Amino acid sequence: GAGVSQSPSNKVTEKGKDVELRCDPISGHTALYWYRQSLGQGLEFLIYFQGNSAPDKSGLPSDRFSAERTGGSVSTLTIQRTQQEDSAVYLCASSKGLAGTANTGELFFGEGSRLTVL
Amino acid sequence: AQRVTQPEKLLSVFKGAPVELKCNYSYSGSPELFWYVQYSRQRLQLLLRHISRESIKGFTADLNKGETSFHLKKPFAQEEDSAMYYCALKSAGKSTFGDGTTLTVKP
Repeated sequence: GAGVSQSPSNKVTEKGKDVELRCDPISGHTALYWYRQSLGQGLEFLIYFQGNSAPDKSGLPSDRFSAERTGGSVSTLTIQRTQQEDSAVYLCASSKGLAGTANTGELFFGEGSRLTVL
Repeated sequence: AQRVTQPEKLLSVFKGAPVELKCNYSYSGSPELFWYVQYSRQRLQLLLRHISRESIKGFTADLNKGETSFHLKKPFAQEEDSAMYYCALKSAGKSTFGDGTTLTVKP
């Protein structure tokens, strides 16, 4: 498909385990974002990648969270030593990036990865 | 720092009634503002952006720089408008979202 793809769609893990969440952005989109959507709360910004620039990691809640983006395309969000408060839906989005008249600024979202930490 | 505030977590109206979802922002520069919508069991998607000054599904939103607001309005709500609505501010590539408002349109 042509949309943003995320996997797994659901993940149940035990407290203390590590998890990896994957995001395949839309081809050609240079910007990639991770957000967290918790029950009853809004969209919490986690991290933002733009092209080859250093990522904006200002939203990562602790050093247990990290993300990388290989080859300017696929991204992986890793949560180490998961805690129950990490349970949430993790959303990935991509956009065309900063410059250009074709850039409307719109974010295209995936369906999310629902993480449950027991 | 940029911030988006949506004061209402829940909003309920009857079909055919006007609806307004409030959004206020704080940002020192010229903002790019958006409304996103998430219908049940669907992914989050763009509804409209202020720069286009468009009406989508009967919704409009006007940027008021004096009041730093970007409220979403529709004169006659429909049941299919029931969804979660997020206001977002984009600056230097990064998008900041409000906490969202769940709109329920009752028959």
